[in-house]
Amino acid sequence: LAKTTQPISMDSYEGQEVNITCSHNNIATNDYITWYQQFPSQGPRFIIQGYKTKVTNEVASLFIPADRKSSTLSLPRVSLSDTAVYYCLVGDMAGTASKLTFGTGTRLQVTL
Amino acid sequence: DGGITQSPKYLFRKEGQNVTLSCEQNLNHDAMYWYRQDPGQGLRLIYYSQIVNDFQKGDIAEGYSVSREKKESFPLTVTSAQKNPTAFYLCASKDGRGKNEKLFFGSGTQLSVL
Repeated sequence: LAKTTQPISMDSYEGQEVNITCSHNNIATNDYITWYQQFPSQGPRFIIQGYKTKVTNEVASLFIPADRKSSTLSLPRVSLSDTAVYYCLVGDMAGTASKLTFGTGTRLQVTL
Repeated sequence: DGGITQSPKYLFRKEGQNVTLSCEQNLNHDAMYWYRQDPGQGLRLIYYSQIVNDFQKGDIAEGYSVSREKKESFPLTVTSAQKNPTAFYLCASKDGRGKNEKLFFGSGTQLSVL
C-alpha cells in the first residue's frame, strides 16, 4: 500500500495560488492519485484525480511527474472558502478489492 | 437523488452499551468503507466491504463490527469493547466497474460517550 506524506499545514492569502505536494514513493502501477477536500464536520469531497502528467478541471490542477512518486495539487486564486483540510489518497481505484487508507492531510488556512 | 446517507447525525453512548451507526447508499456501488476521524486528525480505516456478505478489517477494527447483508447497507456497530469511541465516523462507497473510480462520502455521524 502506498503511504502518503503531506505537509501538516499551509497558510495563504486570498487570491494567491496554492500548491500542496504529496509524496508517495512506493506507488504501485495500478494506483491512482485522488485529492479530497474536507470541511469541519463534513465528509470529504472529491476534487481531482489523475494517473500521470497533468489533469485540470474547473477547480484545480493536478501535476504528476513521470516517476509518479509525488503529486502536486494546485488551487488557483484561493478564497476564504477554500480553508479546509486536503487529503491525498493513493490507491488502486479499480474494482472493489481496495484497502484505501488516507494520510494525515494538509490543513490550509486562507486569510485576507 | 443519489448518494450516501448516514444516520443519526449525532449519537450518544452510555458505558457498556453497543450502538449501531447506519450507512445506506443508492449509488449501486459494490464497495463500502467505514472510517474514524478524531479531532484534528486524518481518516483511519475501520472496515471495508467489497461485496455483499464479505468484509475485511481495516487498520483499527478492534472494538467494532460490521455486516453487509444488502448491497446498499453497511451498518457499523461500536461495541462496549471500544474503550474510546468518541469520534466522527464516516461511511464511503465506491463503484467497482471502472479503473479510476472515486470514493463518495456520507455526511458523518458524531459519536460521543455520556
